[in-house]
Amino acid sequence: NAGVTQTPKFRILKIGQSMTLQCTQDMNHNYMYWYRQDPGMGLKLIYYSVGAGITDKGEVPNGYNVSRSTTEDFPLRLELAAPSQTSVYFCASTPPPQRADPETQYFGPGTRLLVL
Amino acid sequence: GIQVEQSPPDLILQEGANSTLRCNFSDSVNNLQWFHQNPWGQLINLFYIPSGTKQNGRLSATTVATERYSLLYISSSQTTDSGVYFCAVDEYNFNKFYFGSGTKLNVKP
Repeated sequence: NAGVTQTPKFRILKIGQSMTLQCTQDMNHNYMYWYRQDPGMGLKLIYYSVGAGITDKGEVPNGYNVSRSTTEDFPLRLELAAPSQTSVYFCASTPPPQRADPETQYFGPGTRLLVL
Repeated sequence: GIQVEQSPPDLILQEGANSTLRCNFSDSVNNLQWFHQNPWGQLINLFYIPSGTKQNGRLSATTVATERYSLLYISSSQTTDSGVYFCAVDEYNFNKFYFGSGTKLNVKP
């Protein structure tokens, strides 16, 4: 298994541009999450999904959109990028409840985004 | 949402020393996890521990849910233990986590 993969690894955007951060997991996990991590801080939840077709807002959803059309993919869309969205973005997934380790979050390697 | 406070914010240890990291949270939780973020940014789950005590090698964790705190113990620290340790809690067991700001650990040889 590749686990949780994210693309791109690094991206520079100009103010007002848009982009999609890709996240894919090959572990058949139900729950998927998007976090952002600002320098020297903990992670803040942007959006999460409990299964295909179901998404919900986290702590800091403004300026972002998500979709979940398949179990494997959970893309994060930034519309009208702003300097405040400069951050490192992590995608994570969690196994279904009937697995032995349902509570363990598996993280992707992160996408570093710079908005200038 | 829940407030999560971690202490100390920074910690410098000599290799071989022991340490205790603390996580306080403001409300009852159904889920608490400890994570390690290595110097390259990768996040690894260490413990799922909403209550009780667990051990894994040189690491152990204890959560006293009634008093709303958790402790992470690192014994005989190694340089590879360096990084940031995060505590994360979830109120409703949907794995919708709130993270603390972390403890940055630097283990010197």
